[in-house]
Amino acid sequence: SAVISQKPSRDICQRGTSLTIQCQVDSQVTMMFWYRQQPGQSLTLIATANQGSEATYESGFVIDKFPISRPNLTFSTLTVSNMSPEDSSIYLCSVGERSGGNIQYFGAGTRLSVL
Amino acid sequence: AQKITQTQPGMFVQEKEAVTLDCTYDTSDQSYGLFWYKQPSSGEMIFLIYQGSYDEQNATEGRYSLNFQKARKSANLVISASQLGDSAMYFCAMREKGGGSYIPTFGRGTSLIVHP
Repeated sequence: SAVISQKPSRDICQRGTSLTIQCQVDSQVTMMFWYRQQPGQSLTLIATANQGSEATYESGFVIDKFPISRPNLTFSTLTVSNMSPEDSSIYLCSVGERSGGNIQYFGAGTRLSVL
Repeated sequence: AQKITQTQPGMFVQEKEAVTLDCTYDTSDQSYGLFWYKQPSSGEMIFLIYQGSYDEQNATEGRYSLNFQKARKSANLVISASQLGDSAMYFCAMREKGGGSYIPTFGRGTSLIVHP
C-alpha cells in the first residue's frame, strides 16, 4: 500500500488566518482525496484532487474556502482559508488504489483547532 | 436514507474476548465493496479489511474478520481476542461502482473500549 505523509500533524490557528496542509505519497497516484472530520463526526469528502486540472469539490465546499493544488502525481496541498472556529476538525488526505477493490489509504491527518 | 448504518455508538469488551461491530448498508448496485477502518485517538484512519460483493468467502485479516451476509445487507466486523490497543473508533464504509465513483461512503462509527 502507498505510504502517505501528511503535515502538519496538528496546529492551533487564529481566526481569519489560513493554513496549508501538505500531502506527499511515495508512489504516483491518479487521484488524491481530501476529507474533513468534524469533532465526533464521520468523514466528509471535501474534494478530489486531480493532477493537471482543477479539483472537483463536493456539495457544500468551495474553492475560495478550500483551495487545492496538485502539481504532480505524488503531492497535493489543501488550504483552509479565512478560518473560523467552525473549521476546527481533522483534515485527512487519502489515495485510492484501483487494485484489490480500490482501497483508500489515509495519511495520519491534521488536527486543526481555530481560536 | 443512509447508505451505511452503524447502530452502536459505543461498545465495551473485556480484553481477550471477541467483539462484533455491526454495519448495515443500502445499495441497489450489484457490484460494490465494503471496508472497515480503525481510527485511534491520534486521528489516523487505518484500513483493516475489505469485502467485495462477489466474494463468496468472508474476508479475514489476522484477528479481524468480516461477517458478510449479502441478503441481509450486513457487513459486521468481528475482532477476536481483543487487545487494549484495539480501543478506537471503527468506521464501516461502502464503495458503489454505479456512476463510476470510486469514493466510499462512511458510517458514523462505533467507539470500542477494551477493558483490562
